Amino acid sequence: EAGVAQSPRYKIIEKRQSVAFWCNPISGHATLYWYQQILGQGPKLLIQFQNNGVVDDSQLPKDRFSAERLKGVDSTLKIQPAKLEDSAVYLCASSLVLRAGGEQFFGPGTRLTVL
Amino acid sequence: DAKTTQPTSMDCAEGRAANLPCNHSTISGNEYVYWYRQIHSQGPQYIIHGLKNNETNEMASLIITEDRKSSTLILPHATLRDTAVYYCIVRVGSNTGKLIFGQGTTLQVKP
Repeated sequence: EAGVAQSPRYKIIEKRQSVAFWCNPISGHATLYWYQQILGQGPKLLIQFQNNGVVDDSQLPKDRFSAERLKGVDSTLKIQPAKLEDSAVYLCASSLVLRAGGEQFFGPGTRLTVL
Repeated sequence: DAKTTQPTSMDCAEGRAANLPCNHSTISGNEYVYWYRQIHSQGPQYIIHGLKNNETNEMASLIITEDRKSSTLILPHATLRDTAVYYCIVRVGSNTGKLIFGQGTTLQVKP
């Protein structure tokens, strides 16, 4: 089966610009996650969707970050305006069920560099 | 914040077993232990998980102590392709998918 797709793979922008990342989860996966991974650290959850509803966005900097999953399938994460500290890899993951035993499948990530 | 403690780095000879330890002394009765790994420039990959009993799959074995305060991931015959950062994660809650990653252990498999 196809894995989690993300685009673009790389993005370079200047601070105060806007950027958007796209994720297409594995077909049939109801739960979708966005993680931020800063160099040298483990991934940190930004937001979690169950179908098109938000389950957890407690770590999402809502003054500049937004995410949506309008039809319960693919999702977009936006940063507006970007700061230098937003330089990171943005990982999308999906899982079949929302429970403790549900394995998460990760995409390859989008590497963002903010200059 | 992560509730696990792992060594920062480990080396292993190719073909030998790699034993990666993890401490999770504050684990609750309904929390699972998960292991993921992340090969350079890729997204994390699920390896194995367990609650109380030892588990084995085609990739690895997971040994959980009886008091559940620590566990060991075992790669029985490490290859160069197993070089990666290995994350031990305690799953938060029984009905949420949230994973809290720590720093992980960088495993270097050497020829």
